[in-house]
Amino acid sequence: GAGVSQSPSNKVTEKGKDVELRCDPISGHTALYWYRQSLGQGLEFLIYFQGNSAPDKSGLPSDRFSAERTGGSVSTLTIQRTQQEDSAVYLCASSLRIGDNTGELFFGEGSRLTVL
Amino acid sequence: AQKITQTQPGMFVQEKEAVTLDCTYDTSDPSYGLFWYKQPSSGEMIFLIYQGSYDQQNATEGRYSLNFQKARKSANLVISASQLGDSAMYFCAMGGSNYKLTFGKGTLLTVNP
Repeated sequence: GAGVSQSPSNKVTEKGKDVELRCDPISGHTALYWYRQSLGQGLEFLIYFQGNSAPDKSGLPSDRFSAERTGGSVSTLTIQRTQQEDSAVYLCASSLRIGDNTGELFFGEGSRLTVL
Repeated sequence: AQKITQTQPGMFVQEKEAVTLDCTYDTSDPSYGLFWYKQPSSGEMIFLIYQGSYDQQNATEGRYSLNFQKARKSANLVISASQLGDSAMYFCAMGGSNYKLTFGKGTLLTVNP
């Protein structure tokens, strides 16, 4: 497709389970970002990729969170041993390049995670 | 570090009137960009407008304009002739020398018929 695609759109899981969220960026976009949006809040930066490399992982909330990107394209955000406070919408975005403050981010529709 | 402040949790406007959504920022970067995004209830983030810190003129995109006052570090969004479809959450964001956009907490705009 032409836009950023995320799956699943909705995920309900039990506390303690692992979840994987997938992002397929716009073709040709080298930069990929993960943000988290809790209910009624702004966007919290988690991690970004330049190609397959994630130079800064400091935004990840804990070591239960990890992310990878393969082939300079699809990215997976994994949350292990989910907790109720992980419930949020996880947004993925891509842009043509990184380190350019004119770079518009194109967002996916998000994955809504609910941890019971 | 970059910081974006949106002081209006919610705003109301009558259809066809203009509305200004406030945004102030703080950064030590000499060059930066300011963005506004719209997030309808469906959840997607829609890019509206961009202003570069060295741009001499305020950015405009259709009914959207950005009132950029560099000395005051403000980047207010002006929506003219509001429409019912403008009801949404609006986020101000900043990109600087680092690699990410920093977002404000947002303003919920409600357009009344």
